Amino acid sequence: EIVLTQSPGTLSLSPGERATLSCRASQSVDSSDLAWYQQRPGQAPRLLIYGASSRATGIPDRFSGSGSGTDFTLTISRLEPEDSAVYYCQQYDSSLFTFGPGTKVDIK
Amino acid sequence: QVTLKESGPVLVKPTETLTLTCTVSGFSLSNGRVGVSWIRQPPGKALEWLAHIFSDDRKSYSTSLKTRLAISKDTSKSQVVLTMTNIDPVDTATYYCVRRTVTTYAFDMWGQGTMVTVSS
Repeated sequence: EIVLTQSPGTLSLSPGERATLSCRASQSVDSSDLAWYQQRPGQAPRLLIYGASSRATGIPDRFSGSGSGTDFTLTISRLEPEDSAVYYCQQYDSSLFTFGPGTKVDIK
Repeated sequence: QVTLKESGPVLVKPTETLTLTCTVSGFSLSNGRVGVSWIRQPPGKALEWLAHIFSDDRKSYSTSLKTRLAISKDTSKSQVVLTMTNIDPVDTATYYCVRRTVTTYAFDMWGQGTMVTVSS
């Protein structure tokens, strides 16, 4: 079973700054099976990025995903106050799904 | 409009069996491009995937919980059901029903979630 780790645990940045979130897998992940989700306080998660780098419908272009193999990155180019949330990466392999522990992004 | 709505008990006693139902609309469970998962989140903690039912009725379960879980679907009722046996207080969580399509190979639509508390 593939284990995902995310870093940092918490990121505290100001509006307009750039956020870089990391997701590392214990084994190589097919890029088509790597996704990122945003969960704002009190809400259900929503899909941000699928296939490691494709934005989901309605997601602003300040969100971008990259990476391959065992190392993946979610970048938020210019933080907005509404980006305050927990971000999870998720993978699928051999009929099993796993999530990372999440990175909390605080907007100062 | 695609929606998924979870329903089930709010409070369950330890050792009981939990049954949750997901009713979907805006798409068909017989669609060969769609599967449905159950994912849970204990208060203040991370997301945990539990089970998935594929379009061809194959089922997949979390390695750590597979002996306690069963997932099924009733296409005519547009429902996916999850049962979890031998419930424990650590199973207290919000349980989400989530759609996965082969368009994105990701969980693209989430239900609002249903909070289940396990307590005697």
